[in-house]
Amino acid sequence: EAGVTQSPTHLIKTRGQQATLRCSPISGHTSVYWYQQALGLGLQFLLWYDEGEERNRGNFPPRFSGRQFPNYSSELNVNALELEDSALYLCASSYQPEAFFGQGTRLTVV
Amino acid sequence: GQQVMQIPQYQHVQEGEDFTTYCNSSTTLSNIQWYKQRPGGHPVFLIQLVKSGEVKKQKRLTFQFGEAKKNSSLHITATQTTDVGTYFCAGPSPGAGSYQLTFGKGTKLSVIP
Repeated sequence: EAGVTQSPTHLIKTRGQQATLRCSPISGHTSVYWYQQALGLGLQFLLWYDEGEERNRGNFPPRFSGRQFPNYSSELNVNALELEDSALYLCASSYQPEAFFGQGTRLTVV
Repeated sequence: GQQVMQIPQYQHVQEGEDFTTYCNSSTTLSNIQWYKQRPGGHPVFLIQLVKSGEVKKQKRLTFQFGEAKKNSSLHITATQTTDVGTYFCAGPSPGAGSYQLTFGKGTKLSVIP
């Protein structure tokens, strides 16, 4: 069974551009969680989607947004990129008791 | 908001020595989860503790959940080079989905052969 898959693996963008990151949860999982892992800051909760709806968002500006599609895959969009947005973006889906993380997208903003 | 603190931030041990990382939450937790992230990898679930005072073992790893359900520890006996990585504790955010987690900043373990 395939795990959580994320694409692309690496993404390099220029400040001010937009980035789109994608995530496919494990088959049968309806919830998708997005986390940002910036250097030295641990994992910070970004967004939670369930059954196509945004259920909650973390303490991030509105530049960070996303959506969940009918097949439960998800997109994270980051607009007006800033240098400090450079981080590993992790997507997770869950089945009690554990959360399964994808390999992440390494976003570099130059 | 909820804060989860972890110490130490870094730990270097000689292979064969023991290792312990400690986790403290500013709020009472319904459960606590531990994850391991290898260098260049993604977090991988290790265990979930739910009950007050719970102790669980996985081979050389021992996990404890405090009586007040606000602190936890992970102890590794006789470390091996395969134990290298960053260990994170995480607790569910109050009133949110079970996997909207607040993570500690992690303890990065280096094992010297």
